Formats: sequence, structure tokens, C-alpha cells
Amino acid sequence: KQEVTQIPAALSVPEGENLVLNCSFTDSAIYNLQWFRQDPGKGLTSLLLIQSSQREQTSGRLNASLDKSSGRSTLYIAASQPGDSATYLCAGPRNKLVFGAGTILRVKS
Amino acid sequence: DTEVTQTPKHLVMGMTNKKSLKCEQHMGHRAMYWYKQKAKKPPELMFVYSYEKLSINESVPSRFSPECPNSSLLNLHLHALQPEDSALYLCASSQDDQSVGTDTQYFGPGTRLTVL
Repeated sequence: KQEVTQIPAALSVPEGENLVLNCSFTDSAIYNLQWFRQDPGKGLTSLLLIQSSQREQTSGRLNASLDKSSGRSTLYIAASQPGDSATYLCAGPRNKLVFGAGTILRVKS
Repeated sequence: DTEVTQTPKHLVMGMTNKKSLKCEQHMGHRAMYWYKQKAKKPPELMFVYSYEKLSINESVPSRFSPECPNSSLLNLHLHALQPEDSALYLCASSQDDQSVGTDTQYFGPGTRLTVL
């Protein structure tokens, strides 16, 4: 059974810091990997999708990488802002998504 | 437009009630999904519809009954629910779940369900 681990579980940083969120899968046969953002009580917002043929994807201040050999992905957030405060979830390995427990991020102004 | 809409936003029902959740997308997507999210937990897949046919049922109790009347609409019919079924129910869609998982899933805002 596929399991997804996210580290750290929570993170509190001052505004402006660069951040790294980690995600790992027990089964490295990953066809796609999505990073989502969830604000309290809300639905999920898709941030980035990395397909198995890709090593990384970028959108604005966000960069996600995928190492298929190890089943690991990293979400890098540059110059964090208070508006980035949310729970970040990674999910994969294909369309039948299995989610990690998430990283709760708080960016202090 | 990458919007998935869900109605109602909130629903309170008794254990003997019958109610339905509705999900709609107009992106031309052929795969639609229901997820359940308990408080402080990640979403868990319940059902997948592909080209209006049920393709995955993750051993969900029969008190949850999905329906896909057309390619844009997905319903979840609820009957005789238990208090432990209280959760956020999320709908999602993607282009096509047959493409070995290369599609972005777009989620709706969810329906917050409380079973008394």
C-alpha cells in the first residue's frame, strides 16, 4: 500500500525566508505528483504537477522537484509571505491520489 | 476556467435523512472524483468516475451512493449516515484518468457535512 510522508509536520518562519517542504512515497513508481495548498476549512488549490518524465516544475516563487529513484519530492518556496500561510499537501503517484498528512506553514509578518 | 463548483457549502442532516451533494465542472474533463476529508486529516479517495462510468469504489459503505448523470455533473447521494460520516466532502475533476495519471486534478471548495 502506497504511503506518503511529509516533513516537517509544521513550520513557523519569519517573512522573507526561503522554505523547503519534503514529501516521500514508499513506492517510487510515481507517474505524477501534485502539490496542493489548503486554507482552513477550504478546498484544495493545485500548485504544481510534476509528471514522471519531468524533474521539476516552477510557478512564480514555487519550485517543485521530483527524484523518482528515491520516491522523493521537494517544494521550495522563495521569499515567503504571510499569505503563504496554509497547509501544503503532496499527493500521487497517479490519478488515484494518495495524500501525505501535510505541512502546516505559518509565515509571520 | 479551472473551476469546480460544489453545492451546498454546508449541510446538516439527521441519521434518517436522505440528502444529495452536487458537483459540477465545465472544463470538458472526463474523470471526476469524490474525496472525504476528516478534520485535521488528508483527503481520502472514495469514488472515481471515468467517462460517466464508475471505475473505482474504495470500499465505501453503501449509505454513500454516487451518480454521474452526465460528463459535467457528479452527485453523491446520502442515506442513513452516521455521526462519524461528518466531514468535508471534496469533488475533483481531471482531463482523463486513463492517461496513467498525468493530469492535474482540480478540486472544488467542498461541502461541510454534519450528521446529527
